[in-house]
Amino acid sequence: AQSVTQLDSHVSVSEGTPVLLRCNYSSSYSPSLFWYVQHPNKGLQLLLKYTSAATLVKGINGFEAEFKKSETSFHLTKPSAHMSDAAEYFCVVSDPVAGKSTFGDGTTLTVKP
Amino acid sequence: NAGVTQTPKFRILKIGQSMTLQCTQDMNHNYMYWYRQDPGMGLKLIYYSVGAGITDKGEVPNGYNVSRSTTEDFPLRLELAAPSQTSVYFCASSRDRGSQPQHFGDGTRLSIL
Repeated sequence: AQSVTQLDSHVSVSEGTPVLLRCNYSSSYSPSLFWYVQHPNKGLQLLLKYTSAATLVKGINGFEAEFKKSETSFHLTKPSAHMSDAAEYFCVVSDPVAGKSTFGDGTTLTVKP
Repeated sequence: NAGVTQTPKFRILKIGQSMTLQCTQDMNHNYMYWYRQDPGMGLKLIYYSVGAGITDKGEVPNGYNVSRSTTEDFPLRLELAAPSQTSVYFCASSRDRGSQPQHFGDGTRLSIL
């Protein structure tokens, strides 16, 4: 069985300050992990993925995430928020063998000027 | 490169009506998916397909049907629309199931009144 928990439903930051979106997962195997971003009235767009290579993963638009097996976490960070980062973010855990993907409930990021 | 294209973008249906949500992809992906997204929730898998002629149920298949006659197209059919099917529907495709990211369309916003 697998599950994913996004620990914050809403995060608000000021422009230029760091962003931290938290994701914990549960898995019986070595999972693949993804972060997606969804802007209003749009589909989900891949930010980054972890598939058992380097534990620190760099994505698009300055985002990165660190896979910590001991903590079963895959938190998303960005050093300096931009207004265009305001969106919904989804953490996803996937079983690379069975192919099942489980989506978190999402975190809404608000960026204040 | 269009990616995943969904039509229509918006639709209002009356209870008991039927309709087909269209999805097509131009990336030659074998795997295709239909999700629904309800407010404040992550995506729930309705049906998926591993290739032309092969489909299977996801987490929430009741009230829906799919077909996959070609690699490119994966339509979703609602036979007897119910208010509980009011949602945003996303189609996605991927090169494989589990370790590769999914590519999403922009969604179909469906209201059942």
